[in-house]
Amino acid sequence: QSALTQEASVSGTVGQKVTLSCTGNSNNIGSYAVGWYQQISHGAPKTVMFGNSLPSGIPGRFSASKSGTTASLTISGLQPEDEADYYCSTWDFSLSALVFGGGTKLTVL
Amino acid sequence: EVQLVESGGGLVKPGGSLRLSCAASGFTFSNTWMSWVRQAPGKGLEWVGRIISKSGGGTTDYAAPVKGRITISRDDSKNTLYLQMNSLKTEDTAVYYCAAHAVATAFGIWGQGTLVTVSS
Repeated sequence: QSALTQEASVSGTVGQKVTLSCTGNSNNIGSYAVGWYQQISHGAPKTVMFGNSLPSGIPGRFSASKSGTTASLTISGLQPEDEADYYCSTWDFSLSALVFGGGTKLTVL
Repeated sequence: EVQLVESGGGLVKPGGSLRLSCAASGFTFSNTWMSWVRQAPGKGLEWVGRIISKSGGGTTDYAAPVKGRITISRDDSKNTLYLQMNSLKTEDTAVYYCAAHAVATAFGIWGQGTLVTVSS
């Protein structure tokens, strides 16, 4: 059982705005910056957001936010190439460990 | 070009040992916190452990399932991260990725991964 909870699957159509969530508690998301990672077809993960920062080369349609103990990744204007598994992670000070969510499979219809 | 390249994976028997390496280029490795993350077949991402920069103390933290069996180290003169794994179990079978932290609690750069298979 993951320390962070993500939807198992989310779907959307091309051009739509979709939001993926990552729920934790005050020991993790409530206290630390969250990373979001895209994994296409079980290839190497790629960072799409860390905290509120967009890595170089990542399209501006990706954005992130946090409210209390829930973090969110929003893709505005969904594209076919966004179909992937998305994972969130952050530090958990009660576990003294970095924890991941179970991942969300995003399908572009 | 910013890059992480893992090597050293392979087939090892239960109880055996393996050392993985991760060669970094294109960024200031010595100032960067580094982690190992693994992914078992058909499963999600799992953090293995991290080492912070020497300027930050050079300390390590490990995930509970591997604590006592692994050691993470770094050679800043070679821009290389290491993962020494001992007493390997079948459940350690996974693709192992090295990752450079962008901030203390999130990664920026990932390697391409190296497969470790523990089987008799």
